[in-house]
Amino acid sequence: AQRVTQPEKLLSVFKGAPVELKCNYSYSGSPELFWYVQYSRQRLQLLLRHISRESIKGFTADLNKGETSFHLKKPFAQEEDSAMYYCALSTDSWGKLQFGAGTQVVVTP
Amino acid sequence: DAGVTQSPTHLIKTRGQQVTLRCSPKSGHDTVSWYQQALGQGPQFIFQYYEEEERQRGNFPDRFSGHQFPNYSSELNVNALLLGDSALYLCASSGSETQYFGPGTRLLVL
Repeated sequence: AQRVTQPEKLLSVFKGAPVELKCNYSYSGSPELFWYVQYSRQRLQLLLRHISRESIKGFTADLNKGETSFHLKKPFAQEEDSAMYYCALSTDSWGKLQFGAGTQVVVTP
Repeated sequence: DAGVTQSPTHLIKTRGQQVTLRCSPKSGHDTVSWYQQALGQGPQFIFQYYEEEERQRGNFPDRFSGHQFPNYSSELNVNALLLGDSALYLCASSGSETQYFGPGTRLLVL
């Protein structure tokens, strides 16, 4: 069965420090991986997807099929990055998403 | 475009009752998916509607049912409510790729 694991429930970092959110998945085929973010009092929104290979708000994520990981990274955290981050996996063309439990990021000044 | 809208925002029901939640997709989107998000967990896929038909379903009992209307809006119905159905229910709409989420309906079952 497919599974998405985010091992950290809470990540606390100082402003300007690097931040890395871990995401591991289990799926034997070719997955599509996403990072979604939920800022305080806002709805869940797409941050980035692996096929676009973009950098959004300074965040990047690389799909490592060998390690079945899709870690999210940002070299210099900002206070506005404080939010809940969810890694999600899609294994079909219809876009059904399987989410991890999420990682709460707190950036302190 | 207001994006994906959901109603009501909050709802309190008692065990055994039935509830209907509503979702209007983003303009131009024809696919609606429903997710349940329990406290402290990530969203879990319930089912997806396309062309007024349930296209795929997650691991939820038959007490969870839905409907999609010709204007692409959708309803989620839950019968015989259990305490464990207390959660945030999210609707997401999509056209070709990206799913856009609504603000959710928070359901409390007492």
